[in-house]
Amino acid sequence: GDSVTQMEGPVTLSEEAFLTINCTYTATGYPSLFWYVQYPGEGLQLLLKATKADDKGSNKGFEATYRKETTSFHLEKGSVQVSDSAVYFCALLTSGTYKYIFGTGTRLKVLA
Amino acid sequence: DAGVTQSPTHLIKTRGQQVTLRCSPKSGHDTVSWYQQALGQGPQFIFQYYEEEERQRGNFPDRFSGHQFPNYSSELNVNALLLGDSALYLCASSLRLVTEYGYTFGSGTRLTVV
Repeated sequence: GDSVTQMEGPVTLSEEAFLTINCTYTATGYPSLFWYVQYPGEGLQLLLKATKADDKGSNKGFEATYRKETTSFHLEKGSVQVSDSAVYFCALLTSGTYKYIFGTGTRLKVLA
Repeated sequence: DAGVTQSPTHLIKTRGQQVTLRCSPKSGHDTVSWYQQALGQGPQFIFQYYEEEERQRGNFPDRFSGHQFPNYSSELNVNALLLGDSALYLCASSLRLVTEYGYTFGSGTRLTVV
């Protein structure tokens, strides 16, 4: 069945460091791909999305490119801030279904 | 504009009991989905409601049931609680089954079964 695999955390970075969180997927058809972020004590917030191959989603300095050839959707940010500390979830939605498949999440901790 | 509202925020129940969780969707949204998030895991899809009907269901037993009301709010019921049902239960809303633009999630109900 469909699945999402994320790199295990926690990821600890210094402020202004470059961030990469790896995400790969297995899916039938052509899924839409998403990154959600969860701050402590809160629900999930949509960070960015891409609906077809080679699309680049971007928001708040974060970017991810839908790579069909490598079935990947890695999250990147050029310069992280302490306020980016959170858990990041990669997710897919297969065409014709109404349910997200989430990865297990990657905790990011940014130190001042 | 209120987002997704869930109640209660925390709940402690005993094994074998029944629980009801409630969700009010974001204004303008008509579709509600429920997810279970165990500690350290990603959310798992339970089911989705649209037009007061269950439209799709994940791999959860019949102990998990739901309802959607005419005002689009929703309830999640879990019967015969097990210790393994302890989790954060997230409600998410969207418009007319359209999910590729993302859901709006509530902050969740933390259920502890003892």
